Amino acid sequence: NAGVTQTPKFRVLKTGQSMTLLCAQDMNHEYMYWYRQDPGMGLRLIHYSVGEGTTAKGEVPDGYNVSRLKKQNFLLGLESAAPSQTSVYFCASSYRDREQFFGPGTRLTVL
Amino acid sequence: KNQVEQSPQSLIILEGKNCTLQCNYTVSPFSNLRWYKQDTGRGPVSLTIMTFSENTKSNGRYTATLDADTKQSSLHITASQLSDSASYICAVEGNNRLAFGKGNQVVVIP
Repeated sequence: NAGVTQTPKFRVLKTGQSMTLLCAQDMNHEYMYWYRQDPGMGLRLIHYSVGEGTTAKGEVPDGYNVSRLKKQNFLLGLESAAPSQTSVYFCASSYRDREQFFGPGTRLTVL
Repeated sequence: KNQVEQSPQSLIILEGKNCTLQCNYTVSPFSNLRWYKQDTGRGPVSLTIMTFSENTKSNGRYTATLDADTKQSSLHITASQLSDSASYICAVEGNNRLAFGKGNQVVVIP
């Protein structure tokens, strides 16, 4: 039982490049979330999903897109990376609105 | 505006001593309050979840309290261990959204 896993763990991009972060969970959770964590700030919700095929915007969605084609996977895409998107990205999942289980994070640097 | 404020921002304590972390919030309506522990370079791990009717909840050496009237919560760490060195994050749910505090950075020294 791996819980929540994230791929990749680290990534460096140049401004304008695109990439996709993958989140996978094996707990059969309906809800999945993408957060970013920046120094001196609390975790902020980017997008979330309450079930396969559904997504919704969170607090800071601009510059990101998501897809939930399978219940166990939640993808976060950056179409044209900007230095302001340098951050640590965390994926989480939960059974409905209960306890959220977080992944280990992806550290992204945009030059 | 940050709806969840934590204090102190950081503290250093001796191994074996107790400490208390504070969380004040303005989130309304209130659904529940959560405390997470985040080790350096790792994702947050849930310690407790408290609803409106719960005043105290324990998880091993961690005890959380909640005063929904004053909108305050505290996390008490008893007999601290070196492994307690981490960031402790308070999060409050309201309107189906979680608002996170910036965290209390705790360093336990031998």
